[in-house]
Amino acid sequence: GEDVEQSLFLSVREGDSSVINCTYTDSSSTYLYWYKQEPGAGLQLLTYIFSNMDMKQDQRLTVLLNKKDKHLSLRIADTQTGDSAIYFCADHSGGYQKVTFGTGTKLQVIP
Amino acid sequence: GAVVSQHPSRVICKSGTSVKIECRSLDFQATTMFWYRQFPKQSLMLMATSNEGSKATYEQGVEKDKFLINHASLTLSTLTVTSAHPEDSSFYICSGKQGTNTEAFFGQGTRLTVV
Repeated sequence: GEDVEQSLFLSVREGDSSVINCTYTDSSSTYLYWYKQEPGAGLQLLTYIFSNMDMKQDQRLTVLLNKKDKHLSLRIADTQTGDSAIYFCADHSGGYQKVTFGTGTKLQVIP
Repeated sequence: GAVVSQHPSRVICKSGTSVKIECRSLDFQATTMFWYRQFPKQSLMLMATSNEGSKATYEQGVEKDKFLINHASLTLSTLTVTSAHPEDSSFYICSGKQGTNTEAFFGQGTRLTVV
């Protein structure tokens, strides 16, 4: 079945940029999402990219998609302590009509 | 973006009782609803997919008689955890989408604790 993988942990200093990486296996992906989950809270959709795009920028967030390598990344510029959370990438496979989540990357921002 | 309202956000129930979780799509018609479960410190695992008016399709290992899913209308889907046990304690999240190649929108999740 579909597999989505992320590194488990990332630590950055406040003000630096964070880059969270994700790889997926399904070649029929239509949308790829990034979600933020703070402790005890639900999922907050940060941004998403359609599979025919290479890049999407939204304020401090930049999403890069390498469809050939099936690699997705989320760059957070000027990372703040409030950005500390778990970040999930998710792959929406149009053919299967379901969303598969990665394992999540815990981002720790050091003041 | 579109909104999916999920409630309750938190529920505590006694072992052996049933709990119903509702998800409503507020400004779109959710032709497909997905239900996920998240164990502590783990990712979200798809439990089942339901299309409006049809029986839900359950993922392997998910007991359909224990996790009853109803998707009787285009704006409402429910998940009922029957005869809940402490091991059913988890975070449950729904998502809905309209059409085929469209994005899915998530509810805020329900934290179920079975005591």
